[in-house]
Amino acid sequence: DTAVSQTPKYLVTQMGNDKSIKCEQNLGHDTMYWYKQDSKKFLKIMFSYNNKELIINETVPNRFSPKSPDKAHLNLHINSLELGDSAVYFCASSRPNDGYTFGSGTRLTVV
Amino acid sequence: GESVGLHLPTLSVQEGDNSIINCAYSNSASDYFIWYKQESGKGPQFIIDIRSNMDKRQGQRVTVLLNKTVKHLSLQIAATQPGDSAVYFCAEIIKAAGNKLTFGGGTRVLVKP
Repeated sequence: DTAVSQTPKYLVTQMGNDKSIKCEQNLGHDTMYWYKQDSKKFLKIMFSYNNKELIINETVPNRFSPKSPDKAHLNLHINSLELGDSAVYFCASSRPNDGYTFGSGTRLTVV
Repeated sequence: GESVGLHLPTLSVQEGDNSIINCAYSNSASDYFIWYKQESGKGPQFIIDIRSNMDKRQGQRVTVLLNKTVKHLSLQIAATQPGDSAVYFCAEIIKAAGNKLTFGGGTRVLVKP
């Protein structure tokens, strides 16, 4: 019944590794997003997809690559992980006039 | 730079008192504003929103005030309860920017019993 679900909830990995975070929404929303929340709780948008098409790409390193196989899924792949990538990553979805719904977050720790 | 921001990082309030969280914004093109509540280990949760052509909107125990003259909005929580302890964010949506949701810096509310 979870509206926006992301996996895993926790991810601990070593520097240089490649990892993926998955997100799925069952709300029928057309647009999905990835946000990054840093240690000071600041939330910043990274990407936005509408019907599998990239519409927002903020200044994010090329090591981050979103992939949307269909409008209900938006995955985030990160290559060559760095210490500074440690954060909580939130997936969200929205529909016009329907607001945003966020997942519960993935806490990524790079060691 | 960021177009929304908050004045106070932490607000301590006695249970039963009213809480007021303030937010400043700089973008006049904002179409509407949203307040989110984030509890520990969870994602941001919608509380209340207000369109840019409104001054005030009330929900259950919450009121949002928008002053476009000084580009300021506030969230008032009546009779604050322990369950209100969380981090609160104001955010803006600009339709012309693809409905992009931009967050302010967050205020932590601690409710003392």
